[in-house]
Amino acid sequence: GENVEQHPSTLSVQEGDSAVIKCTYSDSASNYFPWYKQELGKGPQLIIDIRSNVGEKKDQRIAVTLNKTAKHFSLHITETQPEDSAVYFCAASVTYGQNFVFGPGTRLSVLP
Amino acid sequence: GAVVSQHPSWVICKSGTSVKIECRSLDFQATTMFWYRQFPKQSLMLMATSNEGSKATYEQGVEKDKFLINHASLTLSTLTVTSAHPEDSSFYICSAPRDSFLQYFGAGTRLSVL
Repeated sequence: GENVEQHPSTLSVQEGDSAVIKCTYSDSASNYFPWYKQELGKGPQLIIDIRSNVGEKKDQRIAVTLNKTAKHFSLHITETQPEDSAVYFCAASVTYGQNFVFGPGTRLSVLP
Repeated sequence: GAVVSQHPSWVICKSGTSVKIECRSLDFQATTMFWYRQFPKQSLMLMATSNEGSKATYEQGVEKDKFLINHASLTLSTLTVTSAHPEDSSFYICSAPRDSFLQYFGAGTRLSVL
């Protein structure tokens, strides 16, 4: 089955700096890669996603890149703000109606 | 606004009692819903896939008789933790796929068993 690894497990950056979180997956059939932000005591919220037919997607300060050959994808947050502090999870999925396999998460702390 | 509603958000119960958690898709129909469990500072682990009109599919190691799932309608799935014990204390989260890929998550339910 699919296995998703995520690094780093914790990340601290100064406000205004960029943050990068990287994930690798094992199943070459995976074709959908969402990123979720989870604040303490809340459910995950989708922040950006990418499908296998594109290599990069950007939404304001957030971008995701995908390298299908290497089976890895990354989340990039620029101009970080304290409210970006949360746990971020990457995930991989194969088809509609299938569950996601989540990475172990990255705890991001943005220091003011 | 939320497209998947989960209730209750927090429940405290005595050991031996049963607790029901509801997951509703608010403006779309979901023939499939997923139930996850999350321990503190850990990732989400899939417990079971809820299928409308048929039996749920449980992941390996998840006790079917302990975690009862009912998907009685296209907008509602319930997870009942039966005879709860302290080790069942956790954060339970449901999700529902809305279209080809997008999945929306509920806000989660924190279960504390005394």
